[in-house]
Amino acid sequence: DAGITQSPRHKVTETGTPVTLRCHQTENHRYMYWYRQDPGHGLRLIHYSYGVKDTDKGEVSDGYSVSRSKTEDFLLTLESATSSQTSVYFCAITPGGDNYGYTFGSGTRLTVV
Amino acid sequence: GQQLNQSPQSMFIQEGEDVSMNCTSSSIFNTWLWYKQDPGEGPVLLIALYKAGELTSNGRLTAQFGITRKDSFLNISASIPSDVGIYFCAGRDTGNQFYFGTGTSLTVIP
Repeated sequence: DAGITQSPRHKVTETGTPVTLRCHQTENHRYMYWYRQDPGHGLRLIHYSYGVKDTDKGEVSDGYSVSRSKTEDFLLTLESATSSQTSVYFCAITPGGDNYGYTFGSGTRLTVV
Repeated sequence: GQQLNQSPQSMFIQEGEDVSMNCTSSSIFNTWLWYKQDPGEGPVLLIALYKAGELTSNGRLTAQFGITRKDSFLNISASIPSDVGIYFCAGRDTGNQFYFGTGTSLTVIP
């Protein structure tokens, strides 16, 4: 078990409110990722981090920001949530190195009403 | 961004039957991965492939890296009820970007 946990597991929020999702890992991996999963789209990369304070955008980064002040925590923030951001969000790490694929957390189901 | 074409989208099979699914891309990939996702959980890695033509097994699961490097296949033999779930392919292109398929939903009828 790579020791990756996400919180909260479920959240309902109102349009226009800020929301922060947390990903925590216990094994000091350098790379961490945030994906969203939507029907018909598979998993799409939002942002990723390659070290403390080192982050970069993914395919669907608009409306999202991230922060990584400690190796173990990677936060995803929706500054002003919209209904199009209703999704399941997954955090991932690459415990075997980038070529060996991801280990995913259990996900956060976010509903924006 | 690129999206992988995964087929079929869904399958309903009898327990004991074999299952085949595939994934294709429009560009060459260096790595192919197959994941399974149970309801309410994140995807779990089943098999990783790193070389064109490679055939790798994990129990009743067998996956192949297509020789064109633009496709991959997953077979499940003698399906059982716990095989139910969504199976995703993922591939890494020559620019080191990972892409995911849209998934194959598998239902096994006892």
